[in-house]
Amino acid sequence: AQRVTQPEKLLSVFKGAPVELKCNYSYSGSPELFWYVQYSRQRLQLLLRHISRESIKGFTADLNKGETSFHLKKPFAQEEDSAMYYCALSGDAGGTSYGKLTFGQGTILTVHP
Amino acid sequence: DTGVSQDPRHKITKRGQNVTFRCDPISEHNRLYWYRQTLGQGPEFLTYFQNEAQLEKSRLLSDRFSAERPKGSFSTLEIQRTEQGDSAMYLCASSPWTSNYGYTFGSGTRLTVV
Repeated sequence: AQRVTQPEKLLSVFKGAPVELKCNYSYSGSPELFWYVQYSRQRLQLLLRHISRESIKGFTADLNKGETSFHLKKPFAQEEDSAMYYCALSGDAGGTSYGKLTFGQGTILTVHP
Repeated sequence: DTGVSQDPRHKITKRGQNVTFRCDPISEHNRLYWYRQTLGQGPEFLTYFQNEAQLEKSRLLSDRFSAERPKGSFSTLEIQRTEQGDSAMYLCASSPWTSNYGYTFGSGTRLTVV
C-alpha cells in the first residue's frame, strides 16, 4: 500500500525566512513524487515533480529514498507563497498504480509580512 | 481547450436524492480521475479511466456510486440515494497516460447533502 504523510497541518513563517514543508512516504517500489499547491479560491495545480529536478517559484524538493522523504524547500518565503500544499505519490512505471496519485493531508503555509 | 471543466460548481440536494456530476477533461488526455475531498483532508482517490475503460475503483466507492466515460471523452459520476456523509468536494483530473506529468485538475463540484 502507498501512503503519504505530511506531519504539519499548519506552518507559519515570516517573509524572507526559509521554509520547509515535510513529506514522508511509504511505498515498496520506486515512486514518483509531486508537490501540488492550491492558492485561495483557485484549483489544485502542479508545483513540481521530483523527476524533472526543477525549481518552480523558488521551491525545490529532493527525493531522499533512504529517509523516504520529499520535503519542499524555499530559502526566502514570500507572502504570495501562502497556500495549501499537498505532497503526492505515484507508483512506478509498469505498475498498476502508475499515474494514480495518493495525496497527503496537506500543509497550510502562511507567510506573514 | 480551457483545461478540465466540471459541472455543476455547486450542488445542494436533499438526502435520498440522486445527483450526477460531469467532467470534461483536456481533449488529448487519455486518463481521467475522480477524487473526493473533505474539509481538512487531501484528495482521496475514487476511480479512474483510461479512455472508456474504468481501470480501478476505490473501496470508498460504495455501490451507490457509479462512474462512466462512455466515449472516452467526458465522464459522469452519479451518486444514488445521497447521504449526509457524501457532502464533499468532488474533483476531476486528467492526464496523458504515456508519461507521468501529473494531473490537471478541474475546479471541483461541491456537494452539500441536507
